[in-house]
Amino acid sequence: GAVVSQHPSWVICKSGTSVKIECRSLDFQATTMFWYRQFPKQSLMLMATSNEGSKATYEQGVEKDKFLINHASLTLSTLTVTSAHPEDSSFYICSARDLVNEKLFFGSGTQLSVL
Amino acid sequence: AQKVTQAQTEISVVEKEDVTLDCVYETRDTTYYLFWYKQPPSGELVFLIRRNSFDEQNEISGRYSWNFQKSTSSFNFTITASQVVDSAVYFCALSVSGNTPLVFGKGTRLSVIA
Repeated sequence: GAVVSQHPSWVICKSGTSVKIECRSLDFQATTMFWYRQFPKQSLMLMATSNEGSKATYEQGVEKDKFLINHASLTLSTLTVTSAHPEDSSFYICSARDLVNEKLFFGSGTQLSVL
Repeated sequence: AQKVTQAQTEISVVEKEDVTLDCVYETRDTTYYLFWYKQPPSGELVFLIRRNSFDEQNEISGRYSWNFQKSTSSFNFTITASQVVDSAVYFCALSVSGNTPLVFGKGTRLSVIA
C-alpha cells in the first residue's frame, strides 16, 4: 500500500538551531501535503498546506518565516523549524494526498525536543 | 467552517467490554468525508475508516463497527470485546474533499484494562 516516509522520527536540538523534517511519498505522487503539529495530549492542529511548485498556505497564527516549507517535487515536502525554541517542542506529522485517488496518507511523525 | 467534537476525553473499560466512541461533526458542505484514526503510544496515525457523506450504511470490520447518522451529524465508533491492544487515542476527522486538509477532533483516550 501507499507509504509516506517521514524523517527523522525524533530529533533533539539546542535552542537557536534549525531542524529540517522530510516528508516523502514513496509510491505515489502528491501535489498537496499537509503539516500538522500535536502538543502532548492534544489534537492534531493543521499548520500549513504545502503545494508542489508554489508557496505554502499557512494557518492563522503559524509564522511562515519560522516554519519554512518547501515542496520542490511531487514526492517530497520539507518543514524547517528555524531558530528553534523549547516551545517548538512538539510532535510534527505530515500527510500526503495521492494525486490519482485523492486518498490521504500520514507519515509516522517526528518528535522534536528543543533544549 | 468545519468542526469535529469528541466529547469523551478519556474512557476506561475492562477487557472484553464493548465501548463506543462518539463523534459529532459540523459542516455546511453536502459532500464530505469522515475518518477515524488510531494513535497508539508510538505516535503514528493508523487509518481505520473513511466514509463519504453519501454512504450512510453502517460498516463492520472485525471487532470494529461504525454508525453514521446524518440526521444527528454523528459518526460513532464501537469496539466490541475490547482488548488491551486497543488502548490508544482515537481521532475522528472530517474533510470536505478536494485538496482540503483533515479537521480533527480532540481525540478520545481509550484505556483497556486486563
